[in-house]
Amino acid sequence: GENVEQHPSTLSVQEGDSAVIKCTYSDSASNYFPWYKQELGKRPQLIIDIRSNVGEKKDQRIAVTLNKTAKHFSLHITETQPEDSAVYFCAASLRSNDYKLSFGAGTTVTVRA
Amino acid sequence: DAGVIQSPRHEVTEMGQEVTLRCKPISGHDYLFWYRQTMMRGLELLIYFNNNVPIDDSGMPEDRFSAKMPNASFSTLKIQPSEPRDSAVYFCASRQGQRFQYGYTFGSGTRLTVV
Repeated sequence: GENVEQHPSTLSVQEGDSAVIKCTYSDSASNYFPWYKQELGKRPQLIIDIRSNVGEKKDQRIAVTLNKTAKHFSLHITETQPEDSAVYFCAASLRSNDYKLSFGAGTTVTVRA
Repeated sequence: DAGVIQSPRHEVTEMGQEVTLRCKPISGHDYLFWYRQTMMRGLELLIYFNNNVPIDDSGMPEDRFSAKMPNASFSTLKIQPSEPRDSAVYFCASRQGQRFQYGYTFGSGTRLTVV
C-alpha cells in the first residue's frame, strides 16, 4: 500500500515566521494530496489540497507545492499566528482511480508568541 | 449542512463488552470511511464503503471488529468483545465521489476508552 512519510514530527516557530512541513509518498499513481489541520480534541479539517496536474497552490498564508518526479509535497505557512498551532497531516490518494487516502504521521506545530 | 455526525462523543466501557459506534454521513456523499486514531499509529483506515457496499476492509484489525452500512445515511462500527488496546478516537468521514477536490469531511469522532 501507499506509504506517506511526514517530517518533522514537531515544529516550533516564532510568531510571524514561516513553517514548512514535508511529505513523501511511494505510489507514483497517487494524484491527490490534501492537508488536514487538527486542533486539540477536534476533528481533522481540510485546509488545502493539490492535484497532480498542478505544481503549486496558494490560499492566503498557506501554500502547497508538489514535485511528482521526486514524489514529495510540502505545506508552507507564512506569517504564522498562535491559532496556527495544531497537528497537521498530509495525505495521498492510493491509486489514481481509488478513493482511499493514506495519512502521514502528523506534525505538531507550536507557534510561540 | 450538519456535517458528518458521530455518536456517542465519548464511550467508556469495560473489557469484554460490546461497543457500537454510529455515523451519519453528509447527505449525497457516496463514500464513507472509518478511521482509528492513536498516538502510536496515527490515522489508520479501517474500512470504507461506496454506495453502502463495503469496498475494502483490509484495515480492520481482527474479527472482533465489524462494520455495516444498511442505508446511505447510517453506518455502524461494532467491537465485540472490546479490549483495552481498542482505546482510541474513531473517526467517520464521508466524501462525494465525483468531487474529490473537496477531500474528506470528518465527523467529530468517538473517544473510546476500554477499561
